Amino acid sequence: GQNIDQPTEMTATEGAIVQINCTYQTSGFNGLFWYQQHAGEAPTFLSYNVLDGLEEKGRFSSFLSRSKGYSYLLLKELQMKDSASYLCAVKDSNYQLIWGAGTKLIIKP
Amino acid sequence: GAVVSQHPSRVICKSGTSVKIECRSLDFQATTMFWYRQFPKQSLMLMATSNEGSKATYEQGVEKDKFLINHASLTLSTLTVTSAHPEDSSFYICSAEPGRGQALGSYEQYFGPGTRLTVT
Repeated sequence: GQNIDQPTEMTATEGAIVQINCTYQTSGFNGLFWYQQHAGEAPTFLSYNVLDGLEEKGRFSSFLSRSKGYSYLLLKELQMKDSASYLCAVKDSNYQLIWGAGTKLIIKP
Repeated sequence: GAVVSQHPSRVICKSGTSVKIECRSLDFQATTMFWYRQFPKQSLMLMATSNEGSKATYEQGVEKDKFLINHASLTLSTLTVTSAHPEDSSFYICSAEPGRGQALGSYEQYFGPGTRLTVT
């Protein structure tokens, strides 16, 4: 079966750095996505990785290792507004998006 | 950018009635649209995938006769919740994927703002 694993919940301090991990087992791979979802709102796109390595976009970076079936989302200089759920999703060989259950990130002052 | 609108944003209806939710891609053509449902504190659950001009593909456990999906054009898909019951109360979110060849980058799904359905 297809599976995406990410921690259920993480807590971090304002101004700090946090890394949210995602591991996946899918039938084929056509890219990995990270989305942010605030409570009661729709997800918003954060990043896309299809090749190995690190993609940096401001305070957020996303890393991919296809051989390990592993990705992480790195958030720097955490702000209170970063409190949200972070969803990892992978497109399989049929270009179907497989979603992880999401990681709820709690930022404390 | 790619914008997806969803209407209504919030709806309250009585048990037994039907509710239609519209999802529109405003500045791109969406050959594929997706309908998700999300219960409080739970992750997204894909309900169905619709391709323009063809029947929707429903996920296991989703009643196609209860959740009617119509993807009549490249910019509009509708979800009708028929004979709604309180257990159908949820946050319904659509997303759209641009067709190949459109210069929108990485083929990510663009999400609408969601529709909160409350059935009393």
